[in-house]
Amino acid sequence: QSALTQPPSASGSPGQSVTISCTGTSSDVGAYPYVSWYQQFPAKAPKLIIYEVNKRPSGVPDRFSGSKSGNMASLTVSGLQAEDEADYYCSAFAGTNTFWLFGGGTKLTVL
Amino acid sequence: QVQLHESGPGLVKPSGTLSLTCAVSGDSISSVTWWSWIRQPPGKGLEWVGEVYHTGKTNYNPSLKSRVTISADMSKNQFSLSVNSVTAADTAIYYCARKGPGYLDVWGRGTLVTVSS
Repeated sequence: QSALTQPPSASGSPGQSVTISCTGTSSDVGAYPYVSWYQQFPAKAPKLIIYEVNKRPSGVPDRFSGSKSGNMASLTVSGLQAEDEADYYCSAFAGTNTFWLFGGGTKLTVL
Repeated sequence: QVQLHESGPGLVKPSGTLSLTCAVSGDSISSVTWWSWIRQPPGKGLEWVGEVYHTGKTNYNPSLKSRVTISADMSKNQFSLSVNSVTAADTAIYYCARKGPGYLDVWGRGTLVTVSS
């Protein structure tokens, strides 16, 4: 099964909001509530920032929010800060044959 | 604080076997959770490799299933990854991670494995 589809890049100025999309199918994103998002800085391990579509782990700023509509999930970063510049990956459960899929990643640039 | 640490050879010859271990501290691999491996080729995106439950039950990425084995060692509180018949396409940073119901909440720092003669 193909990876989830994310735009390769996104950008915004400090203080603005940016939304990153993650498009799947009715067999993965659209089928289960298990969509998560990860933030990765260069040469670092990914960090969980959103799980189960719209829940934030303890310590993650509420500037990060997640949503889902049909087969597309979204990550919104509000009040952009320079420290948000990183790669972002979505992930979704795709059933008990394929199990777990990742998106190709989106590089977020803060202008 | 839960910590995971990957270890193993950084260089593997083509057609050989890649073997890595993930040592877990601050949690027991006997807990009600899955323990996962994810890889990331240099400069590319993440790929889920597979996961193991403490009972020994495993799930694998269908594209890798024929070459991958993941196992858990409760006595050492660690789990392992083996990939056989490796090629240059298996060159990647390999991460181990703890998996909740639908997310990977604790990650190791990752270890680079290069397949080259």
